[in-house]
Amino acid sequence: EDQVTQSPEALRLQEGESSSLNCSYTVSGLRGLFWYRQDPGKGPEFLFTLYSAGEEKEKERLKATLTKKESFLHITAPKPEDSATYLCAVQARTGRRALTFGSGTRLQVQP
Amino acid sequence: EAGVTQFPSHSVIEKGQTVTLRCDPISGHDNLYWYRRVMGKEIKFLLHFVKESKQDESGMPNNRFLAERTGGTYSTLKVQPAELEDSGVYFCASSQVVLQPSPRTGELFFGEGSRLTVL
Repeated sequence: EDQVTQSPEALRLQEGESSSLNCSYTVSGLRGLFWYRQDPGKGPEFLFTLYSAGEEKEKERLKATLTKKESFLHITAPKPEDSATYLCAVQARTGRRALTFGSGTRLQVQP
Repeated sequence: EAGVTQFPSHSVIEKGQTVTLRCDPISGHDNLYWYRRVMGKEIKFLLHFVKESKQDESGMPNNRFLAERTGGTYSTLKVQPAELEDSGVYFCASSQVVLQPSPRTGELFFGEGSRLTVL
């Protein structure tokens, strides 16, 4: 069974204080690993898809990386508007197309 | 372009009653998914439509849940009769049919969710 574990559950940073979120996964052949951002009362908003170990994607202050066992979401010099829950999900290469989500990391960036 | 829309945004019902949730996907998206998040847990898959056909309903918890997708457009998810453990946020998501490697591959567009409270 596919599994996704995210850590930490919650993270509080000062504005400008860089950090990383972790997503560990087990999947029967990885089709893709996805990062989403979710704001309170909203649906998940797509950030990145990573397909193979060594791949990196960047968007503004965010950079996602992928290894064979985990993915990191690096946040450089965060701002208060980066506060949100960040979700990681995997999709297996075979079988169903559904995503398996982790529980998320709640990020709070204080000014 | 309109995003995925869900209705109602919040529903409060009593145990044993029936509730129907509706999802309008992005126009042209043949893939439609239902997911659910119960309190304190991760978002979990319920089922997947491709056009009007159920591709995968392995995540449906039991036969009190019935999903339909009329003519491959909007979808409804009915819970009958509702139980306390059905409370949570139900998300709908849509995507285009083929997931090919591209800068936009794999993007599921989610709605804002329908919060269901069963008392």
